[in-house]
Amino acid sequence: QQQVKQSPQSLIVQKGGISIINCAYENTAFDYFPWYQQFPGKGPALLIAIRPDVSEKKEGRFTISFNKSAKQFSLHIMDSQPGDSATYFCAADYNQGGKLIFGQGTELSVKP
Amino acid sequence: DVKVTQSSRYLVKRTGEKVFLECVQDMDHENMFWYRQDPGLGLRLIYFSYDVKMKEKGDIPEGYSVSREKKERFSLILESASTNQTSMYLCASSFLRQGLPYEQYFGPGTRLTVT
Repeated sequence: QQQVKQSPQSLIVQKGGISIINCAYENTAFDYFPWYQQFPGKGPALLIAIRPDVSEKKEGRFTISFNKSAKQFSLHIMDSQPGDSATYFCAADYNQGGKLIFGQGTELSVKP
Repeated sequence: DVKVTQSSRYLVKRTGEKVFLECVQDMDHENMFWYRQDPGLGLRLIYFSYDVKMKEKGDIPEGYSVSREKKERFSLILESASTNQTSMYLCASSFLRQGLPYEQYFGPGTRLTVT
């Protein structure tokens, strides 16, 4: 049973555009929602994370928007750059247990 | 700088062979994880360990076992490799208790092909 559903599976964006990746979760006990970024040949690395007591978290060009009532959260990449081309995973956890549930991943390609 | 290393980047094994994937972390992390990564399925947890000699099943433990004899080392074992275990295997580690945001640190992965 997939507890975190991520879409789209792949995304192509022009340089300077906005990339948007969406995730939906089922378990209302989740209280930590990180996003991981994975470049080819590398393991995933933490990009940005949010807790459900805030609706938005921004770090540079990356923003998480969180909608608790809809059980959805999304990653926005502003002014997308070719260097942002990577696979992005959303994830969820509860009680800081350290056991993350990952989404299916989105392969982002930013065209110059 | 946190480092998680995996013994092989690429591995080719035959059906029925016993396969060992090794992972070592240098940050004194209590938690260690094994995932497999498949296109369209994301990262799925196979096993994790929160202490030496302790292990818990993840979402897809069938066909796998693990060993953690030392804190820094976590091994994934395929007792009898099958073609449906062809995949990318990722090891990760993290502290047992930490503030937010917490991070799992991943190794570069082992691409295993079973023929």
